[in-house]
Amino acid sequence: GAVVSQHPSWVICKSGTSVKIECRSLDFQATTMFWYRQFPKQSLMLMATSNEGSKATYEQGVEKDKFLINHASLTLSTLTVTSAHPEDSSFYICVVAGSTDTQYFGPGTRLTVL
Amino acid sequence: KQEVTQIPAALSVPEGENLVLNCSFTDSAIYNLQWFRQDPGKGLTSLLLIQSSQREQTSGRLNASLDKSSGRSTLYIAASQPGDSATYLCAVMDTGRRALTFGSGTRLQVQP
Repeated sequence: GAVVSQHPSWVICKSGTSVKIECRSLDFQATTMFWYRQFPKQSLMLMATSNEGSKATYEQGVEKDKFLINHASLTLSTLTVTSAHPEDSSFYICVVAGSTDTQYFGPGTRLTVL
Repeated sequence: KQEVTQIPAALSVPEGENLVLNCSFTDSAIYNLQWFRQDPGKGLTSLLLIQSSQREQTSGRLNASLDKSSGRSTLYIAASQPGDSATYLCAVMDTGRRALTFGSGTRLQVQP
């Protein structure tokens, strides 16, 4: 199966700063990427779905101006948390999908906002 | 809107016991259902995937069943081991929607 990497694996930042998380798929053309977040001891919640070359579709309650998603190529998607606040501290996971229903999970990025 | 529920939320058993984790979903129009394992602070590992046309899938000591009409799935773990300690999540893919809806998970602790 495909290998999906996320960078960084963890990040600590000060409140008010912006953080960019990269999701890369190796040897796999990810036409669709999903971004999920997981708060402590809670389940994964879908934030947005992005198709390569198109604007992302955000789930209800997720601010598109705060969580900027760029899916400019078939192997890279980025999630930028702008003006991060402590309540944005979470585990962010990207999931990539191609033309079939098989999906591959990234290892996750733990964001801590002080 | 699809909702996925997992019972129990937490479970502690002695090593060697057979155990069953439950997952229920509200909308039976699913494409598939998947069970995952998540270790603390880590990402997800897929354990078993059941297509909507299937009744069960097996992998080693794990067996997952699916009753789509009643909106239920179970994950059976035979002869549990301390290494099985983790959070187990089930997730469904609805027909016509590729994103997954996750349950809240069952935190399993297997005591040596």
